[in-house]
Amino acid sequence: RKEVEQDPGPFNVPEGATVAFNCTYSNSASQSFFWYRQDCRKEPKLLMSVYSSGNEDGRFTAQLNRASQYISLLIRDSKLSDSATYLCVAPPGGGGADGLTFGKGTHLIIQP
Amino acid sequence: DTEVTQTPKHLVMGMTNKKSLKCEQHMGHRAMYWYKQKAKKPPELMFVYSYEKLSINESVPSRFSPECPNSSLLNLHLHALQPEDSALYLCASSYHRAGANVLTFGAGSRLTVL
Repeated sequence: RKEVEQDPGPFNVPEGATVAFNCTYSNSASQSFFWYRQDCRKEPKLLMSVYSSGNEDGRFTAQLNRASQYISLLIRDSKLSDSATYLCVAPPGGGGADGLTFGKGTHLIIQP
Repeated sequence: DTEVTQTPKHLVMGMTNKKSLKCEQHMGHRAMYWYKQKAKKPPELMFVYSYEKLSINESVPSRFSPECPNSSLLNLHLHALQPEDSALYLCASSYHRAGANVLTFGAGSRLTVL
């Protein structure tokens, strides 16, 4: 089983709608989780960190479900500029300079 | 502007050439990384340096040779590459928080091997 699994999409969503997608992880020892956003031909950038049950930042909400081992990302009132690939990371935990393994990413397209 | 600087932004090289990719950060991060990214794929980890020592090598072919001259610099030396090595090479550095490493990426070096 892969460490992190995501639905690659694409998710085609009208502007202004709410969209959510999940990321499942296999290592139950993972304590911290991250969503990165990557625009086409750009580098990934940290979008949100999740250290406990969830995190909210403006239109974005990340939630953690430890029992089912997944994190979700909810985007409200979606904007055209939200179109990007959203990458999930679930570090194995335990500290150290672990290289982060990314999920395949979910491709989101916001349509006017 | 990204706080991790990579040069060159673009590189075209032949299979017999020797070239290097460079990465620099001044955030005081003590871990630095090389990732390789092909089109429509996620970044794949290549190497991790922690306190200037190589800590992870993800079975990368020896035609890729990393070097960490000091805590701010990370190089990737390239020699006898193959066309399938064409990709975006991303450098990152990280700080540690809540048991995990939070990455900051550079803009990448886009490599084409002819």
